[in-house]
Amino acid sequence: SAVISQKPSRDICQRGTSLTIQCQVDSQVTMMFWYRQQPGQSLTLIATANQGSEATYESGFVIDKFPISRPNLTFSTLTVSNMSPEDSSIYLCSARPRNTEAFFGQGTRLTVV
Amino acid sequence: SQQGEEDPQALSIQEGENATMNCSYKTSINNLQWYRQNSGRGLVHLILIRSNEREKHSGRLRVTLDTSKKSSSLLITASRAADTASYFCATGGGGGGNKLTFGTGTQLKVEL
Repeated sequence: SAVISQKPSRDICQRGTSLTIQCQVDSQVTMMFWYRQQPGQSLTLIATANQGSEATYESGFVIDKFPISRPNLTFSTLTVSNMSPEDSSIYLCSARPRNTEAFFGQGTRLTVV
Repeated sequence: SQQGEEDPQALSIQEGENATMNCSYKTSINNLQWYRQNSGRGLVHLILIRSNEREKHSGRLRVTLDTSKKSSSLLITASRAADTASYFCATGGGGGGNKLTFGTGTQLKVEL
């Protein structure tokens, strides 16, 4: 199994600013995943973060808006840049250590005002 | 979009009753998983069923998989108020590699 610590748990931000979300895993994992969950919706994958290489972004998500860092096998950050109210969502990080079940952080509830 | 569909979107039952949720998906899979989410928090893995399995049990949970129909069901027996949560199916493998694709989710409310 894997335990993922995600912070902050929630934040209220002004439009035009940026927020960096951090996730720390208690074991080494090759891939980490970042999801967005808009109010009342399912999870949408933003990108896959690999250690030592650029993140792979899904259609509709770009690096300039959601830069990701993956400095080592236990840590990753997602930045939500130049925020607008449409970015208000829950952001979740995840890891699949054995390519079976996924483990999730507790989520970051972001409100942009 | 390759996102799966779940039905019903919302389900309200009395404590002690059984709850059944269905999931349909679109692509070939290696496995299908079910997750639970409480109040917009992180998801918790419930059960995984592989593509060569038809049924799997874990405690009060029973999952079935029909790959010919690209569908799965999750049955929670003898529900409790603490089962109130959102439930998502997720598919992995096939052409998607390590990525999981989540269904639309079912909001379950179990009333006392």
